[in-house]
Amino acid sequence: EAQVTQNPRYLITVTGKKLTVTCSQNMNHEYMSWYRQDPGLGLRQIYYSMNVEVTDKGDVPEGYKVSRKEKRNFPLILESPSPNQTSLYFCASSLGQGTTEAFFGQGTRLTVV
Amino acid sequence: DAKTTQPNSMESNEEEPVHLPCNHSTISGTDYIHWYRQLPSQGPEYVIHGLTSNVNNRMASLAIAEDRKSSTLILHRATLRDAAVYYCILRGLDAGGTSYGKLTFGQGTILTVHP
Repeated sequence: EAQVTQNPRYLITVTGKKLTVTCSQNMNHEYMSWYRQDPGLGLRQIYYSMNVEVTDKGDVPEGYKVSRKEKRNFPLILESPSPNQTSLYFCASSLGQGTTEAFFGQGTRLTVV
Repeated sequence: DAKTTQPNSMESNEEEPVHLPCNHSTISGTDYIHWYRQLPSQGPEYVIHGLTSNVNNRMASLAIAEDRKSSTLILHRATLRDAAVYYCILRGLDAGGTSYGKLTFGQGTILTVHP
C-alpha cells in the first residue's frame, strides 16, 4: 500500500530541546516536502527536497532543518524548538511533476511549551 | 502560483450531488487544476486533477470551463464521509517542465453533509 509515514503522531516538548520528526515513503518518489498547518493560515511549505542530497527552503523555513540522505526518508529537525513552532506538521511526497498527485502523511501534532 | 477563489463553506444533504466551484481567472496555459480534500484529523488527500478537458475518477468529476478561468468539483452522491475541507490548487511548471510538487493551499471550502 502506498504510504507516507510520520512519527511521532503527537509530541509535547519543552523550549530548546532538539527534536526530530521522521517521514518515510514507500513509493520511490523523488519529491518530498514538509508543511505546517495553523488556524487561519492554512498549510504552508517549510522545506522540500527534489531528490537525495537536494533540498531547498519553502515559504516558512526559519527554525527548521531537513536532510535527505536516502530517497525514502526526509526528517524534519527542530534544533531549538520555540512555542511559535507549535503546529500540525505534514510530510508529503510525489513524483515531482505538476501532473501527478501528492501523498500526505497523517500528521504530527507538536506542542512546544 | 496563480490564485484561486473558493466559497468559505457549502452544505449538502446525504446522497445528493455537490458542486464545489473554484475561480482561477489568472490561470496560465501550463497550470494544472488540482483538487485535494482534508478530512478531520487527517492529512490532505488527492481527489482529482485536469488541464483542459473534464475528468472523471472513482471519487469525483472535474468540470473545467472552456476559458479555464473556473472549474467545478462534482461529488455525484455526497456521503457523510465526504465532509471535509476541499482545496482547489493550481500547479504550474517551471522552466524545466517540472513543478517539483509544490502545492500552495488556500483556505478551501468547508463542506458539511447533513444526514
